[in-house]
Amino acid sequence: AQSVTQPDIHITVSEGASLELRCNYSYGATPYLFWYVQSPGQGLQLLLKYFSGDTLVQGIKGFEAEFKRSQSSFNLRKPSVHWSDAAEYFCAVGASNFNKFYFGSGTKLNVKP
Amino acid sequence: EAGVAQSPRYKIIEKRQSVAFWCNPISGHATLYWYQQILGQGPKLLIQFQNNGVVDDSQLPKDRFSAERLKGVDSTLKIQPAKLEDSAVYLCASSPRTGSNYYEQYFGPGTRLTVT
Repeated sequence: AQSVTQPDIHITVSEGASLELRCNYSYGATPYLFWYVQSPGQGLQLLLKYFSGDTLVQGIKGFEAEFKRSQSSFNLRKPSVHWSDAAEYFCAVGASNFNKFYFGSGTKLNVKP
Repeated sequence: EAGVAQSPRYKIIEKRQSVAFWCNPISGHATLYWYQQILGQGPKLLIQFQNNGVVDDSQLPKDRFSAERLKGVDSTLKIQPAKLEDSAVYLCASSPRTGSNYYEQYFGPGTRLTVT
């Protein structure tokens, strides 16, 4: 069965520190992978996506993610976190025809000044 | 360009009552999605429309939930009768399915439903 696991419910980092949010997926075929961000009271916004090709993908707001097929992972990274990055982050996997989408349970990021 | 619009933003009802949510997608977007996001969980896809046809509704509790997308534009999601476990945020998203943003889903702000 398809699933997405985000093992960290909450993460707190200091402003300026690096960030890595973990995502593991289970999917029978080649996955299409996404990271979304949700700020309080806001809708979900797409940060980046992976379909094929280069396994290191760049997104908006300075985020990047690396697809590792052998580990079934798609971890999100940012070299230097800003206070405005405090939000909830969701990893998602989709079918190639985009008729199925599965989201992880999310990781809440707090940023200490 | 205007984003995905949803109304109402908040709704409180008693169990066994009915409720309806409305979504207006981005103009020209062929695909429309409804998600349920329970507190502490990620969004769960309830139903997907392509124009006015249903592509996938495998996770829609059809005994109480219904959705329609007349004329392939606006959509309504209805719950009748509501249960306590339906308390959640209901998100609508749309996707162009054309051009360079073929796959990207644009989300509305959601409707927060509380069932008491």
